[in-house]
Amino acid sequence: AQKITQTQPGMFVQEKEAVTLDCTYDTSDPSYGLFWYKQPSSGEMIFLIYQGSYDQQNATEGRYSLNFQKARKSANLVISASQLGDSAMYFCAMREGHNRGSTLGRLYFGRGTQLTVWP
Amino acid sequence: DVKVTQSSRYLVKRTGEKVFLECVQDMDHENMFWYRQDPGLGLRLIYFSYDVKMKEKGDIPEGYSVSREKKERFSLILESASTNQTSMYLCASSLGQLVGHTFGSGTRLTVV
Repeated sequence: AQKITQTQPGMFVQEKEAVTLDCTYDTSDPSYGLFWYKQPSSGEMIFLIYQGSYDQQNATEGRYSLNFQKARKSANLVISASQLGDSAMYFCAMREGHNRGSTLGRLYFGRGTQLTVWP
Repeated sequence: DVKVTQSSRYLVKRTGEKVFLECVQDMDHENMFWYRQDPGLGLRLIYFSYDVKMKEKGDIPEGYSVSREKKERFSLILESASTNQTSMYLCASSLGQLVGHTFGSGTRLTVV
């Protein structure tokens, strides 16, 4: 079973509008962390935002916020006031637990959402 | 600024060749990872290492091996390259279990 599911292969948004990229996750571990990365066409992976499973508040970083709904196991990325430079592939990822033996900090990635921002 | 450096941005190799992909990090990170990225499949973990000379299989280790002789360097080896190993390869490192990865800029490998 997929640990991270991103159901939107592609999304389109007009400049200055907000957009939500969906991510659901599957884990039985009470301690986990959720990440969002951006990958422009140049290929590098850029860390955007992190949410820990015990964090009481939704994470925010500038124009990025994470809509964390623990009971629904969802961690959607919200980008406010989209810019043309936001056009990229976006990946949701999860790491599980503390001291999980050989898993040791590995991340599980979704299949990604290609976001296109148009003028 | 912290850095993960992959030695090649683009590589073209022939079927059957032995291929080395090199990755070096300058952050004294314990953990290093090799992922493969294919369209529609996201990133899949090939191998990872949590210490010098230590390695663990990821989700798709078949056809690959790794080497970590020094803390800062993690090499991915394709013993006999095949066309189905044409892909983007991403190296990453992390300091501990609870943090995310720092990624290299990737190596796009084409096997012909």
